[in-house]
Amino acid sequence: RKEVEQDPGPFNVPEGATVAFNCTYSNSASQSFFWYRQDCRKEPKLLMSVYSSGNEDGRFTAQLNRASQYISLLIRDSKLSDSATYLCVVNMSPRGFGNEKLTFGTGTRLTIIP
Amino acid sequence: EPEVTQTPSHQVTQMGQEVILRCVPISNHLYFYWYRQILGQKVEFLVSFYNNEISEKSEIFDDQFSVERPDGSNFTLKIRSTKLEDSAMYFCARASRGYTFGSGTRLTVV
Repeated sequence: RKEVEQDPGPFNVPEGATVAFNCTYSNSASQSFFWYRQDCRKEPKLLMSVYSSGNEDGRFTAQLNRASQYISLLIRDSKLSDSATYLCVVNMSPRGFGNEKLTFGTGTRLTIIP
Repeated sequence: EPEVTQTPSHQVTQMGQEVILRCVPISNHLYFYWYRQILGQKVEFLVSFYNNEISEKSEIFDDQFSVERPDGSNFTLKIRSTKLEDSAMYFCARASRGYTFGSGTRLTVV
């Protein structure tokens, strides 16, 4: 089983639609979880951290299910500017903040169609 | 907060040559990281650096790689004898509300 696994896509979604991404991780001792977005040939940029209680930031909602080792990202009312690759990222190191080692998924490519 | 700055943005080098990639993070951060991304593949951890010492490194980070902070501000990644398979984007990162990545250096080994 891959350490962090995502559906590579591509997801081609009409503007205004809702899209959901899923991610699973192998290490049950993983400490922290993130969604990043990456535009073509650019650096990854933090979209949001993911907490067990779930968290929302505008049109974006992230959920974590530790029992199932599953992370999700929901994008509502998608915009053209949401087109990017979405990376599921997990800190599998037992060390504290600042001394982690991030493990990335291969990313899910999203294209929003006008 | 200011972004992490990396130089050069693109470097082409011949196989076997040494390259030095530079990163200028905020000086009061203690933890820094290097990651790389081969074209079309996932981002991979190389090394973490804390208080002027390597904290952790991956299997990729072999004897050909080294990191240092030569003047207390710049943070460098050196590849002593580049191989074709070292061609990739190299990202410097610092820990801050998640991780902030620099804009990257595209290394092309020919």
